[in-house]
Amino acid sequence: QQQVRQSPQSLTVWEGETAILNCSYEDSTFNYFPWYQQFPGEGPALLISIRSVSDKKEDGRFTIFFNKREKKLSLHITDSQPGDSATYFCAASDSNNRIFFGDGTQLVVKP
Amino acid sequence: DAGVTQTPRHEVAEKGQTIILKCEPVSGHNDLFWYRQTKIQGLELLSYFRSKSLMEDGGAFKDRFKAEMLNSSFSTLKIQPTEPKDSAVYLCASSLSGLGQDTQYFGPGTRLLVL
Repeated sequence: QQQVRQSPQSLTVWEGETAILNCSYEDSTFNYFPWYQQFPGEGPALLISIRSVSDKKEDGRFTIFFNKREKKLSLHITDSQPGDSATYFCAASDSNNRIFFGDGTQLVVKP
Repeated sequence: DAGVTQTPRHEVAEKGQTIILKCEPVSGHNDLFWYRQTKIQGLELLSYFRSKSLMEDGGAFKDRFKAEMLNSSFSTLKIQPTEPKDSAVYLCASSLSGLGQDTQYFGPGTRLLVL
């Protein structure tokens, strides 16, 4: 059973628009949710993260909205830039530092 | 500070060969992870070390995949014998400790092609 699911699989937006990437998880013991950004030819890199005690985390143009009751979260990228074009992975972690990754959303931002 | 280093960056192997991938974690990090990344399966955990002790050996990957942590600053992943379905990007990551949910720092990966 897949622990973390992401949608959509791919997303195209125009420069300046808000991109919304969705994520859901299965295990209610998960309490830490990092989002990783991966460019072609590179490994994933941490973009932003949230702990389950919060319902929102903001860092510049990137915001995570977290709904613990529904076991869902989303990453909003406002004023999207072509340089944001990458694959975004939602992940969930438990207290043992085991981390489960979603399959990723490939974002393309058109100029 | 140096990030996670992986060598080689690219590897081409014939079916049945033995290949060894190498990883140097971030200095001072206690946890080390090996992942396999493919478009179909996404990121799959192969092995997880905490302070050089093997915590997870990846279940389904046990028979032909063997990860070792020879010291706190060097790890290898051996695939023996290789099969075409092993073609993927192999990522190594490290994090500071397992006591909390620490950021995993990924290397650039080794792209393996098995013919």
